[in-house]
Amino acid sequence: AQKVTQAQTEISVVEKEDVTLDCVYETRDTTYYLFWYKQPPSGELVFLIRRNSFDEQNEISGRYSWNFQKSTSSFNFTITASQVVDSAVYFCALSGGYSTLTFGKGTMLLVSP
Amino acid sequence: GAVVSQHPSRVICKSGTSVKIECRSLDFQATTMFWYRQFPKQSLMLMATSNEGSKATYEQGVEKDKFLINHASLTLSTLTVTSAHPEDSSFYICSARERGTNYGYTFGSGTRLTVV
Repeated sequence: AQKVTQAQTEISVVEKEDVTLDCVYETRDTTYYLFWYKQPPSGELVFLIRRNSFDEQNEISGRYSWNFQKSTSSFNFTITASQVVDSAVYFCALSGGYSTLTFGKGTMLLVSP
Repeated sequence: GAVVSQHPSRVICKSGTSVKIECRSLDFQATTMFWYRQFPKQSLMLMATSNEGSKATYEQGVEKDKFLINHASLTLSTLTVTSAHPEDSSFYICSARERGTNYGYTFGSGTRLTVV
């Protein structure tokens, strides 16, 4: 069975602060994919990143960066110099083999001016 | 990139009526589509998985007679909420997986259903 744990229910920061959203996963598959999605108040899911289990390289995209560590089964997401527009719910998700996508419970990020 | 169109985005219906939600993959073939339900401040819960041309597989606790899923073509899946009740009010979102991949998930923009 697959499981994704996002222990942080809600995080509040002030604009320009850096913030890290944690994601820990469990799977028995040797090949799997990890995802992060952003869900703004409008509801649609915005795809942020996909990472396969064989690629542990960290990735940076603008103010966003991801740290994938198989040794600790974690796939953490950092926003540098946060902005008000970053306020949203962020979901970490896992897909192993041809199984379905399993979502974590989500972390609500509130960035205040 | 891959696009999934979901309609309607919002619907209000009377208790006892049925509502159909469409999910279309616009520029790719989706052999598998997924339907999720999301209550306020909660995560997405998978309701069912549908494969083109075959019956949907429902998750435990999801009433198949209430939530009818049809996946008649490689680009269209529909979810019909039959005899809707206020407790069916929720955000429904579909996802399509590209043919031949196990990682290409594209989501629709969701449907907010309110049953009055």
